[in-house]
Amino acid sequence: GQQVMQIPQYQHVQEGEDFTTYCNSSTTLSNIQWYKQRPGGHPVFLIQLVKSGEVKKQKRLTFQFGEAKKNSSLHITATQTTDVGTYFCAGPSNAGGTSYGKLTFGQGTILTVHP
Amino acid sequence: DTEVTQTPKHLVMGMTNKKSLKCEQHMGHRAMYWYKQKAKKPPELMFVYSYEKLSINESVPSRFSPECPNSSLLNLHLHALQPEDSALYLCASSQDQLAGRYEQFFGPGTRLTVL
Repeated sequence: GQQVMQIPQYQHVQEGEDFTTYCNSSTTLSNIQWYKQRPGGHPVFLIQLVKSGEVKKQKRLTFQFGEAKKNSSLHITATQTTDVGTYFCAGPSNAGGTSYGKLTFGQGTILTVHP
Repeated sequence: DTEVTQTPKHLVMGMTNKKSLKCEQHMGHRAMYWYKQKAKKPPELMFVYSYEKLSINESVPSRFSPECPNSSLLNLHLHALQPEDSALYLCASSQDQLAGRYEQFFGPGTRLTVL
């Protein structure tokens, strides 16, 4: 079945350093979503990427979707303590080109920011 | 109102108890989801309801029984659970079931402990 791999599993940074998490799918994705889950919280939608090679920015966050639509990345510039949490990528599950109405989540990257 | 509410926030139950988790949204969303999440893991899909009909059951044990009384409400009935069922149970909704087409809004979750 479809697999979505995400690395690294953990990332510890000093405040002000940059951070990147990478997501790779075993199959081509029609689109990819990113979610953030704060400690003790619930996943919150950040963004959706649809087009091949798409790049979107949200303040210090930059999201990219690969040309082959099988990989994606999230880059945070100059991390702040408010960036702490787990970042998940998620892609739609497809079999034979049919969407089965579910998202496959990556394992997540747990980001710790030291002040 | 872009909120998904869940009750209770915390639940402790014995293995012989019967309890129910409740979820509500008033965004007019036609797809609702139950996820189970263990610590440091991604959300794991359990059930999907689309237009009040069960569309996906991810081979969940029968001790978990979902119910969708109307388009705004989703319940998860619990009976004879095992200690390994202890987890955060998240409800989510989206505009439609078409996976990845629409962001999912997650509720705050119910932290379940089975003794």
